[in-house]
Amino acid sequence: GNSVTQMEGPVTLSEEAFLTINCTYTATGYPSLFWYVQYPGEGLQLLLKATKADDKGSNKGFEATYRKETTSFHLEKGSVQVSDSAVYFCALFDAGNNRKLIWGLGTSLAVNP
Amino acid sequence: DGGITQSPKYLFRKEGQNVTLSCEQNLNHDAMYWYRQDPGQGLRLIYYSQIVNDFQKGDIAEGYSVSREKKESFPLTVTSAQKNPTAFYLCASSLDAGTSNEQFFGPGTRLTVL
Repeated sequence: GNSVTQMEGPVTLSEEAFLTINCTYTATGYPSLFWYVQYPGEGLQLLLKATKADDKGSNKGFEATYRKETTSFHLEKGSVQVSDSAVYFCALFDAGNNRKLIWGLGTSLAVNP
Repeated sequence: DGGITQSPKYLFRKEGQNVTLSCEQNLNHDAMYWYRQDPGQGLRLIYYSQIVNDFQKGDIAEGYSVSREKKESFPLTVTSAQKNPTAFYLCASSLDAGTSNEQFFGPGTRLTVL
């Protein structure tokens, strides 16, 4: 079945450091891929998405590229800020076999000044 | 402003009581979802509805019930049969259930059973 695997957290970085959060997936079809962010005490917000292979999603300095050959969608940011401290969720949607979002477990990021 | 509202933000309940969590959206979305979030377990789908008067069980539906009488509203009842109801509950909606399914989330309700 479909699944998403994220790197375990927590991840702790200093401000202006480079961020990578790994996400790999297993899917039978051609899924759309998403990164959502959850700030403390809030619901989730869509951060970026990619709907086909080699697409790059980007938003607020974050980027992720849909790599079909490695079944990955790693989240990156060149210079993190304290305000980026949150939990990040990778997810996939496969319209062919399963009309639900399949979620990773989330990766907590703490950025220190 | 369009969005999803959940109320209340914090809810306390005694063991053995049923409780209903509210979820309302004014985005004109067809599909709505309820998730449960526990530390270290990510999001788990409880119920979802693709259209008014229709809903399906998710991965952890036991001890929960829902209704979808109006497009805008998708209330979740946590019944006394739910063995471990203390959690953070998130409601979401999407335009429909058949596309790339970007979901919009409410702020959540934190339920504590005393």
